[in-house]
Amino acid sequence: GENVEQHPSTLSVQEGDSAVIKCTYSDSASNYFPWYKQELGKRPQLIIDIRSNVGEKKDQRIAVTLNKTAKHFSLHITETQPEDSAVYFCAASAPFSGGYNKLIFGAGTRLAVHP
Amino acid sequence: DVKVTQSSRYLVKRTGEKVFLECVQDMDHENMFWYRQDPGLGLRLIYFSYDVKMKEKGDIPEGYSVSREKKERFSLILESASTNQTSMYLCASSFRRKTQYFGPGTRLLVL
Repeated sequence: GENVEQHPSTLSVQEGDSAVIKCTYSDSASNYFPWYKQELGKRPQLIIDIRSNVGEKKDQRIAVTLNKTAKHFSLHITETQPEDSAVYFCAASAPFSGGYNKLIFGAGTRLAVHP
Repeated sequence: DVKVTQSSRYLVKRTGEKVFLECVQDMDHENMFWYRQDPGLGLRLIYFSYDVKMKEKGDIPEGYSVSREKKERFSLILESASTNQTSMYLCASSFRRKTQYFGPGTRLLVL
């Protein structure tokens, strides 16, 4: 079935360093790839997304890259700050019954940014 | 600003009890979802609804049912709660194939 693998499961960086989280998906029909950030005790919130017709998208300190051939996509956070500490989830769309799409989520990456 | 609310933040139930988790969204979204979140497993889809009274099974529907009588409200029902249903339950809504917005979650403990 559909699967999204996410690595690493934990990531510890110093403030100001960059952080990279990688995901691999299995369904070649996937065409939408959102990233969610979940702070401790809070709901997941969308931070950036990319569609399959684009190879890269950037929003200030965060960027996402997509390699459709290799079926992987990555989140890049530059100049990390302590408030970036959270669990990050990647997801890939997958066809669903009735022509709808669902999201398959990765297992999450716990990012810790140390001052 | 999209608002998705869930009826309880924390819930403690006994094995065999019938449990209702409610989700309400205020943005007239057609699609609503129920996920459970477990450490190391990410978010897994339990049920999905794309319209009033319509529902589709997700990846882990066993032991759950849902109800959507009004567009803004989507209920998850555990007919007979079991300890392996102890988890964080997250509701989400979206407009067509757009961004999913999540509720704050309900942490359910089944004793």
